[in-house]
Amino acid sequence: EVHLVESGGGLVKPGGSLRLSCAASGFTFSTFSIDWVRQAPGKGLEWVSSIDSSSTYIFYADSLKGRFTISRDNAKNSLYLQMNSLRAEDTAVYFCARESAAGMIGFDYWGQGTLVTVSS
Amino acid sequence: EIVLTQSPATLSLSPGERATLSCRASQSVSSYLAWYQQKPGQAPRLLIYDASNRATGIPARFSGSGSGTDFTLTISSLEPEDFAVYYCQQRSNWPPGYTFGQGTKLEIK
Repeated sequence: EVHLVESGGGLVKPGGSLRLSCAASGFTFSTFSIDWVRQAPGKGLEWVSSIDSSSTYIFYADSLKGRFTISRDNAKNSLYLQMNSLRAEDTAVYFCARESAAGMIGFDYWGQGTLVTVSS
Repeated sequence: EIVLTQSPATLSLSPGERATLSCRASQSVSSYLAWYQQKPGQAPRLLIYDASNRATGIPARFSGSGSGTDFTLTISSLEPEDFAVYYCQQRSNWPPGYTFGQGTKLEIK
């Protein structure tokens, strides 16, 4: 069974940093692209970043302006999101999600999310 | 940047009724569109991929249609568990990435 489990969220002050992790199991992690999606309290979904299976193609939402870095370790079946210069507007639940098989549009498995709160 | 606009923002219906949710793209996205259902406190669940294909385990009462700029998610006969928020999502080649619509809340009338 496919599982994605996020961790690393918490309370951080504005300007601080945080590193999120996503542990994957139940599938061949090294063959799938994985994404981060966030959801501010009471708001809709916002795509954050994606990374392909070999870390060759990495994309970010324009709104992040270089503050976030996505990475993965296929040997550890893990995905990461390094978040720097955090702002109050980065407060959200952060989900990791697996992209469907190549050529199909949709994220077929999601973790339950980890809450990041940016506040002084 | 492609913008997805969902309508209506809120849809009030009763169990057994038919629900029709719309997603309009600011420019053509071909069939690169997915639909999700999200319930409070839960992660989104993929319903439809590539505009019209049901994801694994999704009941047949859910169907997707459309291409280009206009898409529709139809729930043929609402069950109590279908009341939730629904999002559409598109993939763009430039700038590369994904965009979600703002969501439609389907509530019990």
